[in-house]
Amino acid sequence: GNSVTQMEGPVTLSEEAFLTINCTYTATGYPSLFWYVQYPGEGLQLLLKATKADDKGSNKGFEATYRKETTSFHLEKGSVQVSDSAVYFCVLIQGAQKLVFGQGTRLTINP
Amino acid sequence: DAGVIQSPRHEVTEMGQEVTLRCKPISGHNSLFWYRQTMMRGLELLIYFNNNVPIDDSGMPEDRFSAKMPNASFSTLKIQPSEPRDSAVYFCASSSTGLYSYEQYFGPGTRLTVT
Repeated sequence: GNSVTQMEGPVTLSEEAFLTINCTYTATGYPSLFWYVQYPGEGLQLLLKATKADDKGSNKGFEATYRKETTSFHLEKGSVQVSDSAVYFCVLIQGAQKLVFGQGTRLTINP
Repeated sequence: DAGVIQSPRHEVTEMGQEVTLRCKPISGHNSLFWYRQTMMRGLELLIYFNNNVPIDDSGMPEDRFSAKMPNASFSTLKIQPSEPRDSAVYFCASSSTGLYSYEQYFGPGTRLTVT
């Protein structure tokens, strides 16, 4: 079945550091891929998405490129801020609207 | 625009009591999802509805859990009787089906504690 694997956290960085959170997936066909973010005490919010191979999703300085050849969708940001501290989920969907979540990566940014 | 609304935000109850969680989806959305989040199991899809009809309830843990969607603007998740292992954060999400319309919008969640 479909699955998503994220790099294990927690991840702790200093402000202005470069961020990469790895995500790989297993799916037949062509799923759509998302990154969702969950800030403390809140629900999940869609951060960015890509619906086909080689698409690049971007939002709030974050980027991720849908790489079919490596079945990856790594999240990157060039300069993180304290306000980026949250849990990040890599997610895929393929038919039937059922989201498949990665286990989540907790990110903490220190000033 | 109002997002997905859930109530209550926090619920503390004793084992054996009935618990009802409520959700109002975004107006115009025709799909609704109930999720449970715990440290041990992460996010789990419990059930989802399309046009008020339950489509997949395979994630509902057991008969103690039931969900209804009597109309397009309201859904409930009921646990009867509740047990301590039901303690979790329960999220409701909604989306609008259509070509490539897969984005789900999550509510703030209900934190349930069963003592």
